[in-house]
Formats: sequence, structure tokens, C-alpha cells
Amino acid sequence: DAEITQSPRHKITETGRQVTLACHQTWNHNNMFWYRQDLGHGLRLIHYSYGVQDTNKGEVSDGYSVSRSNTEDLPLTLESAASSQTSVYFCASSDYPGATDTQYFGPGTRLTVL
Amino acid sequence: RKEVEQDPGPFNVPEGATVAFNCTYSNSASQSFFWYRQDCRKEPKLLMSVYSSGNEDGRFTAQLNRASQYISLLIRDSKLSDSATYLCVVISNTGNQFYFGTGTSLTVIP
Repeated sequence: DAEITQSPRHKITETGRQVTLACHQTWNHNNMFWYRQDLGHGLRLIHYSYGVQDTNKGEVSDGYSVSRSNTEDLPLTLESAASSQTSVYFCASSDYPGATDTQYFGPGTRLTVL
Repeated sequence: RKEVEQDPGPFNVPEGATVAFNCTYSNSASQSFFWYRQDCRKEPKLLMSVYSSGNEDGRFTAQLNRASQYISLLIRDSKLSDSATYLCVVISNTGNQFYFGTGTSLTVIP
């Protein structure tokens, strides 16, 4: 069955370190998204991609970067982790052009920055 | 002002009750609307899309009111398994800005 996976599921890191969160989907979806979820803020869009080599900034992109070298993967990199980036990170994908389609979410990565 | 606002609740209702949630949005040109469900410490999952004409899926009914800029979700005959957080999602007219509400917590009590 097609799915979307994230790794690691839990990560503890130190301030200033570079961290990469992996997202892999086997749906063959063109669109992929990264969100963070914090209490009181809900889900906020970090970056998104509508296809290979395409990346776009979302609402809260500062301190994060993504790259899309193939259809299946959209890794999220925290260039220099900060305590404010402690959060739960969700990756999602969708099929149809644009962002109006159902999004399928991965199980999430819980990141703690000490 | 937030793009999307939801009453966080919590809503605690007995089994069999009818409960309704609203979600207001600020951009009148928004084009697509959804309700997602999120169980504790799990990923969000699509519950249903919201159309101008309204749509119904079993015990769930979603409505869109463009004039007043809100969407609603009605759950009839609540089940224990309906206990979750319900998130509304609003997508901009450009199709590339999507905003999640903070979620409304529902607990159905035996």
C-alpha cells in the first residue's frame, strides 16, 4: 500500500546543530508539504513543493530549507536549530495540481532542541 | 487577525448528542475548505471537503457560508469514537496559501 513516512519519529538535538528530517512518500504525488504544529498555533506551513526542483516558502520558513531532487522525498533541514523550533513536524503530500486536494499526512516527527 | 479562527473548546457531550463547530476565515477570496480530524498525538486525516451547497457524509454535515465567511461541521448522534480534535482548513484563491485552524477538541462521554 502507498504511504508517507517520516524519520526519525523522535529527535533531541542541541542549539546550533544542523538537523534534517526525512519525508518519503510512495503515492507518487507531485505535491509535498512540511508543517509544524504547536499548542495554540495549530498547523503552520513551513515549505512546500509542487514537483521536482520546485520549492516554495510557507508561512514560517525562516530557519528552514527544503530540496526536491525526486518525486518521493522532501527532506526538511534546520540550518542551525533553535529552541523555538521545538515542535512536532508533519509532512504531507497530495495528488492534484495546486493545493486544493486532500493532503495525506505522515505520522510526524517530535523534535526537541535543548 | 488570524487567517482562520476556531473555538478551541473543549466540547464535552454525551453519546447521542448533536454538536456543531464553526470556523471563521478572514480572506473572502478563499476558494477551498476542508475539515480534518486529528486524534491525540496522531497525524491529521481528512474528514470531509466543504462545498457551497453543503455536503453530508453519514452523521457528518459540512456547510460553507461565504457571506459570513465561516464553515461549520455538524455531528449527529455522537459516538465515543468521535472524540478527537477537528481542524478546519482554508485555502486561498491563489491555491498556494493554506491555513489550518488551531482545532476544536471534542470529547464524547458515555
